[in-house]
Amino acid sequence: DAKTTQPNSMESNEEEPVHLPCNHSTISGTDYIHWYRQLPSQGPEYVIHGLTSNVNNRMASLAIAEDRKSSTLILHRATLRDAAVYYCILRDVFQGAQKLVFGQGTRLTINP
Amino acid sequence: DTGVSQDPRHKITKRGQNVTFRCDPISEHNRLYWYRQTLGQGPEFLTYFQNEAQLEKSRLLSDRFSAERPKGSFSTLEIQRTEQGDSAMYLCASSFGPGQGADTEAFFGQGTRLTVV
Repeated sequence: DAKTTQPNSMESNEEEPVHLPCNHSTISGTDYIHWYRQLPSQGPEYVIHGLTSNVNNRMASLAIAEDRKSSTLILHRATLRDAAVYYCILRDVFQGAQKLVFGQGTRLTINP
Repeated sequence: DTGVSQDPRHKITKRGQNVTFRCDPISEHNRLYWYRQTLGQGPEFLTYFQNEAQLEKSRLLSDRFSAERPKGSFSTLEIQRTEQGDSAMYLCASSFGPGQGADTEAFFGQGTRLTVV
């Protein structure tokens, strides 16, 4: 499985933007970049995914570097409810059903 | 649909006892996954079903662990002769994928927290 590298923890303030980085230098051409997050005492939840172009949804934006070796999850205006562990995961689009391989993720703390 | 449901939410058992957990996936989802998560770590894959067929098992799944999905709907995970090292959160996830095609995002339940004393 292609690996990702994320900072162990980050801290931000409420109502400010948050940029969560992920490095995936060994990404293959058919790997999608997925982000999941896990709130305290909850199972992980899907946030966003992309292949090459930047993506936006109601939860977040995903900015993908031109060489695809890194990506950034952007929370435009963090709230206290965004405090969670964020996981960056690669999934091969041609492998069909595929387990998610979670790393340690980034623990995001939001200060009021 | 209320999402992926797991039962029980918490289980405390004595070492050596058997335990069984249940997962009810989202109804139209054909794929079901079990993961285990220990404190401070990301979830680790245990096993995967497509409909009723168990198609992949992690080497983490020792002989004491067995999972079933008899009718391609709900699934059970049984741990026999529990050990203290089995204490963890057991997470179930489901997704939809056409045939061998890539699936949608996975939806996770809230997990069953097992404590072996």
